[in-house]
Amino acid sequence: DGGITQSPKYLFRKEGQNVTLSCEQNLNHDAMYWYRQDPGQGLRLIYYSQIVNDFQKGDIAEGYSVSREKKESFPLTVTSAQKNPTAFYLCASSIGFGDWETQYFGPGTRLLVL
Amino acid sequence: RKEVEQDPGPFNVPEGATVAFNCTYSNSASQSFFWYRQDCRKEPKLLMSVYSSGNEDGRFTAQLNRASQYISLLIRDSKLSDSATYLCVVPYSSNTGKLIFGQGTTLQVKP
Repeated sequence: DGGITQSPKYLFRKEGQNVTLSCEQNLNHDAMYWYRQDPGQGLRLIYYSQIVNDFQKGDIAEGYSVSREKKESFPLTVTSAQKNPTAFYLCASSIGFGDWETQYFGPGTRLLVL
Repeated sequence: RKEVEQDPGPFNVPEGATVAFNCTYSNSASQSFFWYRQDCRKEPKLLMSVYSSGNEDGRFTAQLNRASQYISLLIRDSKLSDSATYLCVVPYSSNTGKLIFGQGTTLQVKP
């Protein structure tokens, strides 16, 4: 059963703590993306990767880091430098990165700050 | 003008009604467009892609007006299950995979 998985579903972060959100896909997609969604707002792009071992900053990359060591995995670390991390985090993937490519989303991780 | 702009609603309609949402975009070079559906506290899912003047899939019709730079989504014979937020999505720049999402239009279909 192909798809995108994200874990955990809920994550609690203490002040000053780094946390890592997992994203795995078995769709054999080249491109992967991380978005953040705040209540009543559209999705905003944090980082994206068009191919293994390469990634680019999106519109709101400050306070976040990623790696793409394997095609199927694109973990996101929320660092202590991110001052307002409470949000719904969505990972997506697409076959390629052309304008016509559909992006498929994982179920998301809700991050809350304690 | 915002890059992608939608009326947030909510649109409250009775079952069986026809409802239309508009979305305006600023990048006149955009060639493809998407409508995603997002249920409460869930991930977005693709509803429809639009590459030419429009697309139709059952009760859903998307139309593109390039001259005025807007895309519309028409839902006919609304069902209770159509209640969701509808996101208008436009590529950010050519062939990078980057997308710009509108804030969404919320639809509530009432019995």
